[in-house]
Amino acid sequence: GDSVTQTEGLVTLTEGLPVMLNCTYQTIYSNPFLFWYVQHLNESPRLLLKSFTDNKRTEHQGFHATLHKSSSSFHLQKSSAQLSDSALYYCALTHTNTGKLTFGDGTVLTVKP
Amino acid sequence: EAAVTQSPRSKVAVTGGKVTLSCHQTNNHDYMYWYRQDTGHGLRLIHYSYVADSTEKGDIPDGYKASRPSQENFSLILELASLSQTAVYFCASSADWGVGAETLYFGSGTRLTVL
Repeated sequence: GDSVTQTEGLVTLTEGLPVMLNCTYQTIYSNPFLFWYVQHLNESPRLLLKSFTDNKRTEHQGFHATLHKSSSSFHLQKSSAQLSDSALYYCALTHTNTGKLTFGDGTVLTVKP
Repeated sequence: EAAVTQSPRSKVAVTGGKVTLSCHQTNNHDYMYWYRQDTGHGLRLIHYSYVADSTEKGDIPDGYKASRPSQENFSLILELASLSQTAVYFCASSADWGVGAETLYFGSGTRLTVL
């Protein structure tokens, strides 16, 4: 079945430094759809950004990610971390018509002053 | 803004007891889901449904039943609650997955503690 791997369980950064959260996936289908969801403390997950186009950068709220089918990756990046970016970030995968989203284990990002 | 409401917000149950978690959505969405969240395991799909009166097994269905009596309502039932089912449970809804990139809208979660 589908799987999503987020290698870092916890990332701690100083405010102003760049953010990169890793996400790789496995699927037998050739047209995957990749998502990043963010969950702030005591809140529910909400969509941050999504993509299904190979090698096209997608951006939202200062974050960006590019789906690379050749390396099965969809890393989340931001040029300068803010204190408010501290949250739990999930990478997720689906494909056409499945109606199911497979989530990675999540990465907790903590941004310190 | 999509609206998914879960009840109760938190619950303490006894081992072997029956627990019912409820979810109601006003988005007119076809798909509804139950996920459980555990530290270190992310969000795992328990059951989902794409039409009323029908449910599908997700990735971890054992020990759980689901019921979708109407488009708006989706319940998760633990017939015999166990300690291992202590977790936070999220309900979510989405529109039709015909193009495969639909957004999930999550409820606020139910924190279940089984003693």
